[in-house]
Amino acid sequence: SQQGEEDPQALSIQEGENATMNCSYKTSINNLQWYRQNSGRGLVHLILIRSNEREKHSGRLRVTLDTSKKSSSLLITASRAADTASYFCATDALMDTGRRALTFGSGTRLQVQP
Amino acid sequence: GAVVSQHPSWVICKSGTSVKIECRSLDFQATTMFWYRQFPKQSLMLMATSNEGSKATYEQGVEKDKFLINHASLTLSTLTVTSAHPEDSSFYICSPNWDRAIVTEAFFGQGTRLTVV
Repeated sequence: SQQGEEDPQALSIQEGENATMNCSYKTSINNLQWYRQNSGRGLVHLILIRSNEREKHSGRLRVTLDTSKKSSSLLITASRAADTASYFCATDALMDTGRRALTFGSGTRLQVQP
Repeated sequence: GAVVSQHPSWVICKSGTSVKIECRSLDFQATTMFWYRQFPKQSLMLMATSNEGSKATYEQGVEKDKFLINHASLTLSTLTVTSAHPEDSSFYICSPNWDRAIVTEAFFGQGTRLTVV
């Protein structure tokens, strides 16, 4: 089952603007991760935030985590055309099989217009 | 980061045939391999987990007789889509697991685009 939802589903901005994506999840987590996927490609890890952290930065990326609301946000500042991709949040969750595995949010498709 | 090699990157097959997808962990030993499926414009959904030397575990709704998984060694896991049909057309991605995988970043294969005609 899918762990969470992301919004917006799609986002189109101009180069130089900031992009904010939100993720909500359902169960308790150890950490939350954000991944990027270019069209038809595998996933690339962007950033991980642990459950006891509230904010984390990496270059132009800023991630926040609110465990009381079970939500996270990813902010990309000064966006570039090369940032065009789909972005997914992921958490480790207990699956139907009783094992823990990464489960992904529904994703946000970001389009950065040059 | 870990190097994961997945082949083929894309395949087109006729309805009723079988397709094998290989996933290799090149620089570490993967006791477990997660197999995900992604339909167009959708998220990744976990299909099954392969375990080295033992049977794979499948998520609810995934037919184990249709998606055969083999994890014969610590560096190779395969997913075979048997008697493929057009509705099996999807993007399949593997991701190895080791003890640290849940608390640190995960790594993924490049994915396989399967088109069944």
